[in-house]
Amino acid sequence: AQSVAQPEDQVNVAEGNPLTVKCTYSVSGNPYLFWYVQYPNRGLQFLLKYITGDNLVKGSYGFEAEFNKSQTSFHLKKPSALVSDSALYFCAVRDNRYQLIWGAGTKLIIKP
Amino acid sequence: GAVVSQHPSRVICKSGTSVKIECRSLDFQATTMFWYRQFPKQSLMLMATSNEGSKATYEQGVEKDKFLINHASLTLSTLTVTSAHPEDSSFYICSARTGTGGYNEQFFGPGTRLTVL
Repeated sequence: AQSVAQPEDQVNVAEGNPLTVKCTYSVSGNPYLFWYVQYPNRGLQFLLKYITGDNLVKGSYGFEAEFNKSQTSFHLKKPSALVSDSALYFCAVRDNRYQLIWGAGTKLIIKP
Repeated sequence: GAVVSQHPSRVICKSGTSVKIECRSLDFQATTMFWYRQFPKQSLMLMATSNEGSKATYEQGVEKDKFLINHASLTLSTLTVTSAHPEDSSFYICSARTGTGGYNEQFFGPGTRLTVL
């Protein structure tokens, strides 16, 4: 069965430090992977996606994600966290019906 | 970027009444629209997928007679919660996607908070 796992409910990072939000997946065939962010009282916003090509994908707001096929991971990263990055982050993978399967979400808290 | 709006953003209704939520793609044509339900501190649960002019495809366990979805045009989809009950209280989110194949990202509306008293 296809699935997405975000093993951390919450990640705490000091402002200015690098951040990583973890995501692992299980799919048959080639994975198509996405990261979305949800700010309080706002809709989900697309950050980045991996379809094919370079394993390091760059997205919005300075975020990037590294696709690792051997580890079936697609961790979200940012070199220097901002307080405004505090939000709920969702990893998703496209299933064979062309719909997204969502991870449970990770709450990212950036402390000043 | 592509914008998806939802209306209303919040609605409070009495048990037994019906509530309609609108989802519009403002600057693009959405061949496919999705309706999700999100419970507190949980991920999104896909309720149904609709393609313009076709009947919606409901996920297992979602009552199609209770959650009526209409995708009448390439820019508008509606979700009607019929005979709402307190357990229907939730955050409902729509999203829209252009093209087919799932390669394109989905654009999400801001969500509608439904409270059934």
